[in-house]
Amino acid sequence: SQQGEEDPQALSIQEGENATMNCSYKTSINNLQWYRQNSGRGLVHLILIRSNEREKHSGRLRVTLDTSKKSSSLLITASRAADTASYFCATVESGGSNYKLTFGKGTLLTVNP
Amino acid sequence: NAGVTQTPKFQVLKTGQSMTLQCAQDMNHEYMSWYRQDPGMGLRLIHYSVGAGITDQGEVPNGYNVSRSTTEDFPLRLLSAAPSQTSVYFCASSYSPFDSSGNTIYFGEGSWLTVV
Repeated sequence: SQQGEEDPQALSIQEGENATMNCSYKTSINNLQWYRQNSGRGLVHLILIRSNEREKHSGRLRVTLDTSKKSSSLLITASRAADTASYFCATVESGGSNYKLTFGKGTLLTVNP
Repeated sequence: NAGVTQTPKFQVLKTGQSMTLQCAQDMNHEYMSWYRQDPGMGLRLIHYSVGAGITDQGEVPNGYNVSRSTTEDFPLRLLSAAPSQTSVYFCASSYSPFDSSGNTIYFGEGSWLTVV
């Protein structure tokens, strides 16, 4: 079953604008991760946030986690055409197998030059 | 260091045929897994392995077999292909479980499989 649900399903913005994607999940988690997938390619790990963390930064990426609402957001600041890709959240359930990473359906981000 | 290598990149099968998708990693990772990606469904876990000789089922294991005879290789076998197995398949590996230590999972480039 799908754990995470990204919102929106698709997002189109202009270069230089910020892009925000949201992820909701259903169960208690150990950590939540965000991945990027360029068209026709494999997934690339972007950032991991632990269940006891509320915010994390990596370059132009900012991730927040609200465990009370079972939701996370990924903010990409000053977007570039090269950021065009699908973005997925994935969770490791708390108390479950640490070997199972459950993905959401993804958000397709298009950054127009 | 090639990372995670999947072969073939593209394959067309007839219903009932068998084939093996190959996956190899050169990072000495203990954990390896296979996912399938379908339109609108995200990635779903098929099988995974936590080390040589150890495998377990994921979310959608039916129709697929795996084995892990070496640390480096984790092949995925389709014994009798069905149209429902038309999908993009991704192999992934990691040094250890996805706990809060934050070990990164590395993905291959994908194998596009069409069953007609």
